Amino acid sequence: DAKTTQPNSMESNEEEPVHLPCNHSTISGTDYIHWYRQLPSQGPEYVIHGLTSNVNNRMASLAIAEDRKSSTLILHRATLRDAAVYYCIPTPTPRGGSEKLVFGKGTKLTVNP
Amino acid sequence: IAGITQAPTSQILAAGRRMTLRCTQDMRHNAMYWYRQDLGLGLRLIHYSNTAGTTGKGEVPDGYSVSRANTDDFPLTLASAVPSQTSVYFCASSVSGRNEQFFGPGTRLTVL
Repeated sequence: DAKTTQPNSMESNEEEPVHLPCNHSTISGTDYIHWYRQLPSQGPEYVIHGLTSNVNNRMASLAIAEDRKSSTLILHRATLRDAAVYYCIPTPTPRGGSEKLVFGKGTKLTVNP
Repeated sequence: IAGITQAPTSQILAAGRRMTLRCTQDMRHNAMYWYRQDLGLGLRLIHYSNTAGTTGKGEVPDGYSVSRANTDDFPLTLASAVPSQTSVYFCASSVSGRNEQFFGPGTRLTVL
């Protein structure tokens, strides 16, 4: 499993963009980069994933470095509801079965009103 | 659509007792998983199932058993609970071949 490094915590103000970094220098060439988040007292929630190209969806954008050793989750306008722990998880290419997620400690994002 | 439901929401259990945590999904996902989350340790995989009728061990399987009689249900059983099994338990499911997992709301279990 690829090792990941994320800041323990970050703070943002409401309505401002947030850039959450993740280093995954040992990532395999075929590993996807998944991001999940966990709101207080809830189960984790899928946010976004990518392989090589930058990705956008309704929740966030994912910027992947050209060498794939790091990525950044971008929340374009943080809201109070975005306060959560964000996990960056390199995962192998699915081979038809289940692929186990290996959660690290993630980054706890605090959003100030 | 309910997604994934877990029961009970919380439980206090005496050590040595048997306990089954229930998990049901209505998304017809092939794969299902059980994780436990402890403070400072993140989520750890206990058991998983690729499809009905098959199960596999995760990172921390000792003291737990699972069964997968059908697609929708994936119960987790503690045959004889111990205090170290005090944790929050999350069930999840996914479509086979895809990494996006959908998680339930969790069961908070306290073993005294």
